[in-house]
Amino acid sequence: KNQVEQSPQSLIILEGKNCTLQCNYTVSPFSNLRWYKQDTGRGPVSLTIMTFSENTKSNGRYTATLDADTKQSSLHITASQLSDSASYICVVSAGGGKLIFGQGTELSVKP
Amino acid sequence: SAVISQKPSRDICQRGTSLTIQCQVDSQVTMMFWYRQQPGQSLTLIATANQGSEATYESGFVIDKFPISRPNLTFSTLTVSNMSPEDSSIYLCSVEARGQGNYGYTFGSGTRLTVV
Repeated sequence: KNQVEQSPQSLIILEGKNCTLQCNYTVSPFSNLRWYKQDTGRGPVSLTIMTFSENTKSNGRYTATLDADTKQSSLHITASQLSDSASYICVVSAGGGKLIFGQGTELSVKP
Repeated sequence: SAVISQKPSRDICQRGTSLTIQCQVDSQVTMMFWYRQQPGQSLTLIATANQGSEATYESGFVIDKFPISRPNLTFSTLTVSNMSPEDSSIYLCSVEARGQGNYGYTFGSGTRLTVV
């Protein structure tokens, strides 16, 4: 069964600190993995997308890694800001346009 | 990437009524997708809207409850029919951002529906 599991479910950090979110997947066939940021009451916004052959991808203070052998990905946020407070969703494409969504990690950045 | 305009952004509706949600894309796209996000849950695909043919529904979703229109390559509507409180969710449309770099699917801003 295709599944995407994220951890932790929620996370509270202080402004300026770094954090890492995890994503484990069992999806076949694997096409690509994406991380999205979803602010409360808004649609998800893409942060990164990685294919099988890519190990890391950065977008500003966001750095995503992918280990296709262990089927794990992480999203590292550097020097967090209050505006980083959001839900972060890991999405794996199984090919043919089928997307498998993780449950998301709810990040709260406190001053 | 493609820009999606989705409306309404939110609505409060009486049970038994219907609500039509619209999505307008600033470029032509082959497929548009409709998702539901129930409170505290991740996104669930309702259907794929194809231009010129009937929408393709996922398991658990039926056309009578969620009729979809796709009159052209830039526009689609989703209707939530005969609403009940269980339909209270965020509804989102999405398109694949082909040829726009590696940023995958673009989502609308969502419609927050509350059924009372």
